[in-house]
Amino acid sequence: AAGVIQSPRHLIKEKRETATLKCYPIPRHDTVYWYQQGPGQDPQFLISFYEKMQSDKGSIPDRFSAQQFSDYHSELNMSSLELGDSALYFCASSTNSGQETQYFGPGTRLLVL
Amino acid sequence: DQQVKQNSPSLSVQEGRISILNCDYTNSMFDYFLWYKKYPAEGPTFLISISSIKDKNEDGRFTVFLNKSAKHLSLHIVPSQPGDSAVYFCAARGNTGFQKLVFGTGTRLLVSP
Repeated sequence: AAGVIQSPRHLIKEKRETATLKCYPIPRHDTVYWYQQGPGQDPQFLISFYEKMQSDKGSIPDRFSAQQFSDYHSELNMSSLELGDSALYFCASSTNSGQETQYFGPGTRLLVL
Repeated sequence: DQQVKQNSPSLSVQEGRISILNCDYTNSMFDYFLWYKKYPAEGPTFLISISSIKDKNEDGRFTVFLNKSAKHLSLHIVPSQPGDSAVYFCAARGNTGFQKLVFGTGTRLLVSP
């Protein structure tokens, strides 16, 4: 079965650079969630989109922005990168039904030097 | 403020025995709970979920029990297999659409042959 696809899988950036992470949800899933997992921490919710509209917002820095496109894929844009942004970034997708389960992608490991 | 807690950071069991992973939550608005399994450098993999209207859900070797009055849930794996060795996250969410998942801190399970 098709899963959530994230690209790139690994990314190395310098401080103050920008990064763009991409997420392709499972086919027919219309909701996308972004989570950040720091070293030794649990995943923390950043932001979510349903039908190209932001549906919820968590602890996402103002330096980050995201959007969902007409084909339901999503991009997380990160600017003025800081050392503390080094983390695993997961995307999850779900359908807009009752108690939908979120299915996670493999993650993008971002290292800021 | 950790709303979902997994108080055991690690658990070791022998192959064939039962593994019991515990999770406590504080927010009474949570009414849907999920367990995810995570290998290093991979995304969380959905295992099993339970709604607050139930007290038990079973799927093969995995059973989740929910004690709503105690705000406690547990995941039972019987029989445990070496391939079950991973980090297990408990997650919780509310009952409306697009709800973010709130994760516990994870329990590392090691199943030895």
